Amino acid sequence: SQQGEEDPQALSIQEGENATMNCSYKTSINNLQWYRQNSGRGLVHLILIRSNEREKHSGRLRVTLDTSKKSSSLLITASRAADTASYFCATEAAGNKLTFGGGTRVLVKP
Amino acid sequence: DTGVSQNPRHKITKRGQNVTFRCDPISEHNRLYWYRQTLGQGPEFLTYFQNEAQLEKSRLLSDRFSAERPKGSFSTLEIQRTEQGDSAMYLCASSLASGVWELFFGEGSRLTVL
Repeated sequence: SQQGEEDPQALSIQEGENATMNCSYKTSINNLQWYRQNSGRGLVHLILIRSNEREKHSGRLRVTLDTSKKSSSLLITASRAADTASYFCATEAAGNKLTFGGGTRVLVKP
Repeated sequence: DTGVSQNPRHKITKRGQNVTFRCDPISEHNRLYWYRQTLGQGPEFLTYFQNEAQLEKSRLLSDRFSAERPKGSFSTLEIQRTEQGDSAMYLCASSLASGVWELFFGEGSRLTVL
């Protein structure tokens, strides 16, 4: 079963716009991570936020975490056509493994 | 570049045949994970190793599936008596065991069972 659920399932935006996607999860976590996957490829780690952090930035990425609501958001600012991909949140609870959500498919139109 | 390497990248087989996938992790990583991903879904955890010890197996891993990491380096995932429902992308990832960790994924092995 998948711990996280992303919303929306799909997102279509114009180049230059911001893309926001959300992730909800069910159990307490140690950290939450976001990954990106281009079609037919492996996943690439984007950013990690610990359970005691509320916001984190990396380049054009901003991640927030609200442990009281068991939710996280990923914001990609000034999107580019190359940002077209699927984005997955993944949570680490106990057990040294990541549990992934179903993903948000992002299409950035030039 | 010594990233995570998976072979073969694609495998087409007939129902009932056995298949084996190999994963070579990043050399200094002592944890190795197998995930399965079907079209339009997120990766689902199958199993993981720390060094040569298999520490956890998902209930998804039926008795037709077996994974090994005999010397704590590369790993193999074997599926016996394949079924059409086994068609998926099999992803391998590795990580360090210490500190706050992230997964480094290979490009995956796509299995098609006819």
